[in-house]
Amino acid sequence: EIMLTQTPLSLSVTPGQPASISCKSNQSLLHSDGRTYLYWYLQRSGQSPQLLIYEISSRFSGVPDKFSGSGSGTDFTLKISRVEAEDVGLYYCMQGIQPLTFGGGTKVEI
Amino acid sequence: VQLVESGGGLVKPGGSLRLSCAASGFTFTSYTMTWVRQAPGKGLEWVSSISTSSTYIYYADSVEGRFTISRDNPKNSLYLQMSSLRDEDTAVYYCARKILTGNSRGVPDYWGQGTLVTVSS
Repeated sequence: EIMLTQTPLSLSVTPGQPASISCKSNQSLLHSDGRTYLYWYLQRSGQSPQLLIYEISSRFSGVPDKFSGSGSGTDFTLKISRVEAEDVGLYYCMQGIQPLTFGGGTKVEI
Repeated sequence: VQLVESGGGLVKPGGSLRLSCAASGFTFTSYTMTWVRQAPGKGLEWVSSISTSSTYIYYADSVEGRFTISRDNPKNSLYLQMSSLRDEDTAVYYCARKILTGNSRGVPDYWGQGTLVTVSS
């Protein structure tokens, strides 16, 4: 089973400032089909998770461009260029190689 | 896209429960579907996924042999039959649609609001 380690566990950000979250895997997420199955989700308080980024760096439908993903192999990063109040919540990375697993989450607060 | 779960509730250890998920706003038959759970105050855990025609079914080790995923395409519905329930199965269970891009076996794009299952004597 692939394990994902997110850092930091929590992050306090000044509005308008950037934020960065790391996700490290204990195995490469590069699949034999050439795709890398690493995803990012945001779960706001009391809500279900919403997909932000798929396959390392592609923004999902409706996701603002202040969110960006990068990385390769086993090391990945989610960046928020300018944090706003609506970005507060728990951020999870997820890998799509069976069995599917999530990182432990990073709490972002203002 | 709308996914509405139902069927959660309080059940005793060793008991059974059946969750349902009503899907609308998309072509249900074109999507692999997934269940993900979240224990109170904890992180997310993938539970199970089922392909469009139910040909391929996958389970997490933690539920293999106790949970059964199924779908009824004419009814646009997804199910999770849970048996031999344990305290550690207490969680909000989310129904989710698999993202179309890529060949993962169930990574979600859209999620329902979840239904709470509490296993307690």
